[in-house]
Parts: sequence; structure tokens; C-alpha cells
Amino acid sequence: QSVLTQPPSASGTPGQRATIPCSGSNSNIGNNPVNWYLQLPGTAPKLLIYMNSERPSGVPDRFSGSKSGTSASLAISGLQSEDEADYYCAAWDDSLKGWVFGGGTRVTVL
Amino acid sequence: EVQLVESGGGLVKPGGSLRLSCLASGFTFSAYAMSWVRQAPGKGLEWISAISGSGDVTYYSESVKGRFTVSRDNSDSTLFLQTAGLRAEDTAIYYCAKVLGGYVGMDSWGQGTLVTVSS
Repeated sequence: QSVLTQPPSASGTPGQRATIPCSGSNSNIGNNPVNWYLQLPGTAPKLLIYMNSERPSGVPDRFSGSKSGTSASLAISGLQSEDEADYYCAAWDDSLKGWVFGGGTRVTVL
Repeated sequence: EVQLVESGGGLVKPGGSLRLSCLASGFTFSAYAMSWVRQAPGKGLEWISAISGSGDVTYYSESVKGRFTVSRDNSDSTLFLQTAGLRAEDTAIYYCAKVLGGYVGMDSWGQGTLVTVSS
């Protein structure tokens, strides 16, 4: 049972927009910034979004993040086949004194 | 370019121990906190430990507290995770990761090292 809650799967057709929600609490998302990570099969996670909505250099602007209260979301616009991967949200938890992750969402491009 | 290279994984019997290492390059190692994150086969990411840049502050998840010890050698730009009392549920790929800053989270990750706990 993950501290942050994500749906296990999401899908869309090429060109569509997909949105992945991440729900937490006041001790994590409500009080700390959210990061999003992408993980392709058999590879290490890669930072996609940091500080709720900032993109590291090299990440396409098709990826965007937002946060409101104790929830965050990742949006992928103009879905492409190479976006098929697992996506994880994460935030520091003040009560647990550590980072917590969502269970991950597998995105499928139909 | 930031590079993180883990080593030290392998097959170990229940109750055994392993020392994982992570050699860092491409950034001022002592200026950044570092973390260990693991991923059991077919499962999601689980943060397990972090250490401040100076090494004087450490954090652990409840799942490893009292069994794992994180440390670092800033003169060698190396992060360590000493594991003990290993259990089958500790079987996972162990990633080291550089912390972006404060409580923001991890930005760069190594390729991981596999720890398998089995008799």
C-alpha cells in the first residue's frame, strides 16, 4: 500500500492527452513539492517533473505537472508510442521523515 | 554529466549482509544529499535511506531501520549502504540517487545493483 495514490493504468491513442492523478495528504503533497519520474522497462527512473511543474532540460514540453492542495497530476499531451512507460509521483513526507512514492501508473498508447 | 555507478549486489542467504557502493562523478559530491531507492521485482519504487552532504544527518524508512546503515566518503565521492539481517523481501534492484536539494527529491539515478536474498 503506497502512501501516495495513483491509478495502476492509463491509456490513450496517439495524439491524445493523458492525465495521471496523484493523491496524498497534508504531511506530504500538501506541504512539500512533488516530483514525477518516468521508468522505461529495464531502465532506471528518470526525472520528468520537479517542484510540482518544472521540467529538467531535455524533457519535452508535452509533459506538464500541477499541484493543488494534497493532490498533484501529470499531463502528457500529444501522446506518442515512446511515452509507454511507468510513471511515479513522489514527495517528502514530514511525518515519516522520508520520501514517499505513488504505486506507479503504466501508460499504454493504444 | 552526472554519473552514478552502483556495485556490490549479489546473491546472499537470509540473515546475511552486503555492502553496496555508489561511485559518483560529474558534480561536487559533498554538496549534495544522496538517497537509496529500491525496486522489488515487478513492483514500484520504495525510498529506503538518505544522507546529508556532510554525512551527519541520516534518514531511514521503517522497513530497513535498524538493519541498514547509510554512509559516505566525500574524499572518494562514494556512497555506501551496509545491509544486515537480510530477508527475502529485501530482494530488489537498489538504486542510488542524487538529491536535487532540500526536500525536493532525487534528480539523477544510477543504473542499479541487484540484491537477491535466497537460501
